[in-house]
Amino acid sequence: AQRVTQPEKLLSVFKGAPVELKCNYSYSGSPELFWYVQYSRQRLQLLLRHISRESIKGFTADLNKGETSFHLKKPFAQEEDSAMYYCALTHGSSNTGKLIFGQGTTLQVKP
Amino acid sequence: KAGVTQTPRYLIKTRGQQVTLSCSPISGHRSVSWYQQTPGQGLQFLFEYFSETQRNKGNFPGRFSGRQFSNSRSEMNVSTLELGDSALYLCASSLQGSGNTIYFGEGSWLTVV
Repeated sequence: AQRVTQPEKLLSVFKGAPVELKCNYSYSGSPELFWYVQYSRQRLQLLLRHISRESIKGFTADLNKGETSFHLKKPFAQEEDSAMYYCALTHGSSNTGKLIFGQGTTLQVKP
Repeated sequence: KAGVTQTPRYLIKTRGQQVTLSCSPISGHRSVSWYQQTPGQGLQFLFEYFSETQRNKGNFPGRFSGRQFSNSRSEMNVSTLELGDSALYLCASSLQGSGNTIYFGEGSWLTVV
């Protein structure tokens, strides 16, 4: 079964602390993985995708196929990083609009 | 350029009624997908349309249907509404699919009473 699991509903850290939002997936095939973010009162938006290997707003994520994980990391959290984060996957080669989302993790960065 | 636009933003319906939600994708985008978001189930894929054809379908009952017009605008319809259909319905568009960035609308809040 295709599934994305984000084990933490809420992650609370202090400003300047490292952040790691966990994401594990179950998929038979080669998935493409994404992280989406939703700031307060804003629409859901793409943060990064594993194939681009970019660092966006200081966040990085590495696809670990052996552990079927795609954890999101940032070395020093900022208050403006407080938001809801969703991990999502799609079939790697199908180029469709179908995304399978995890349940989301709320990141709270305290001053 | 204008983002993905959904109408109406908020609506209240009675059990048994039907509802139609509308989505205008970003200009030039041909893929339009719909998602249901609830506190209990999270974000769930409903269906995707590409060039007026349904390309993918999620695990929702037949009461949920959609269509796409030649200008890529899309509508989704829910018939015989149930209390459990209360949710935020999100529309997303992209040029062709996940190979391009998928952009989301602000959603339509549906409350069934």
